[in-house]
Amino acid sequence: ELKVEQNPLFLSMQEGKNYTIYCNYSTTSDRLYWYRQDPGKSLESLFVLLSNGAVKQEGRLMASLDTKARLSTLHITAAVHDLSATYFCAANTDKLIFGTGTRLQVFP
Amino acid sequence: NAGVTQTPKFRILKIGQSMTLQCAQDMNHNYMYWYRQDPGMGLKLIYYSVGAGITDKGEVPNGYNVSRSTTEDFPLRLELAAPSQTSVYFCASSYAGYTEAFFGQGTRLTVV
Repeated sequence: ELKVEQNPLFLSMQEGKNYTIYCNYSTTSDRLYWYRQDPGKSLESLFVLLSNGAVKQEGRLMASLDTKARLSTLHITAAVHDLSATYFCAANTDKLIFGTGTRLQVFP
Repeated sequence: NAGVTQTPKFRILKIGQSMTLQCAQDMNHNYMYWYRQDPGMGLKLIYYSVGAGITDKGEVPNGYNVSRSTTEDFPLRLELAAPSQTSVYFCASSYAGYTEAFFGQGTRLTVV
């Protein structure tokens, strides 16, 4: 059964710094998704990664997928306060299963 | 564009009561999902559907039922509500299994 794990669960980082969130999944999946959730809000799609080696970038966020390692990363470059949110990855075989989430706080 | 619409937004139930959470999408999506999100936690899949008339269990189906009689609607039924079902419920839809899912605004349910 598909399991999805993220780390870290909580990340407090200073503005201007770089960091990476990791997403591991347990069974073969060629599809990996990243979402953002602001407090009290719904989920917003950030990236869709559909093949091994896929890389997507939007502003200060870059996501990549290594299907052989069953690993996706979300890299944050020069963090700003507006990036503070919870980030989820999700993998899909026959079911869309979410990771535990990474709560990101960016402080001055 | 309405997207995915959930009703109600908030509800308080007494233990043992039943209710139906409504979900409708106007994007002609084939796949629909129900998740629950407990405070400070991730999303757990309750049920999903790959098309009208087809439903399947997710990670945490006990205590819930679904039906999918049309492409647009995917209601979630709670029978005999329990305090453990206090959560925020999200409905989502996607065109296919490999496309991104779009989420509704959620229903905050409290069982007392």
